[in-house]
Amino acid sequence: DAEITQSPRHKITETGRQVTLACHQTWNHNNMFWYRQDLGHGLRLIHYSYGVHDTNKGEVSDGYSVSRSNTEDLPLTLESAASSQTSVYFCASSEPGYEQYFGPGTRLTVT
Amino acid sequence: GNSVTQMEGPVTLSEEAFLTINCTYTATGYPSLFWYVQYPGEGLQLLLKATKADDKGSNKGFEATYRKETTSFHLEKGSVQVSDSAVYFCALLLSGGYQKVTFGIGTKLQVIP
Repeated sequence: DAEITQSPRHKITETGRQVTLACHQTWNHNNMFWYRQDLGHGLRLIHYSYGVHDTNKGEVSDGYSVSRSNTEDLPLTLESAASSQTSVYFCASSEPGYEQYFGPGTRLTVT
Repeated sequence: GNSVTQMEGPVTLSEEAFLTINCTYTATGYPSLFWYVQYPGEGLQLLLKATKADDKGSNKGFEATYRKETTSFHLEKGSVQVSDSAVYFCALLLSGGYQKVTFGIGTKLQVIP
């Protein structure tokens, strides 16, 4: 069965370190998205991609970057982790015009 | 711009009670509408959807009807179970080139035995 996976599921890192969260989907979807989920804020879009080599900023993109070198993967990089980036991160994918499918999430703690 | 409004909750119900979670939206075009469910420690799962006015989406005993005249997509279930305890998100997607989903803030449902 097709799926979307994220790794690691849990990560603890120190302030200032670079961190990369992986997202891999086997749906062969063109669209991929990264969200963060925080209490009181719901889901907020960080970055998104409509295809290979395409990336776009979402509403909370500062301090984050993505690159899309193939259809299956959209890694999210925190250039210099800050305590404000402690959150749960979700990756999602979709075909244009259709619902999104979500990964299980990565819980990131920045100390 | 586009937006989705739903109460944050928590909504607390006894088992077998009737559930309604209200969702209203603002959109510049004709969106598809979704309800997602998030169980503790998991990602969001699509619960149901409707793609045009008067469509009814249904799944696992949950239903929602796309009401264009009231710009609403309320989620209902006739008899909730403890296992329905989760966070429920209403969402919209506009057709065409704008492919990002707009989510509501999520409503936490607690069902007590």
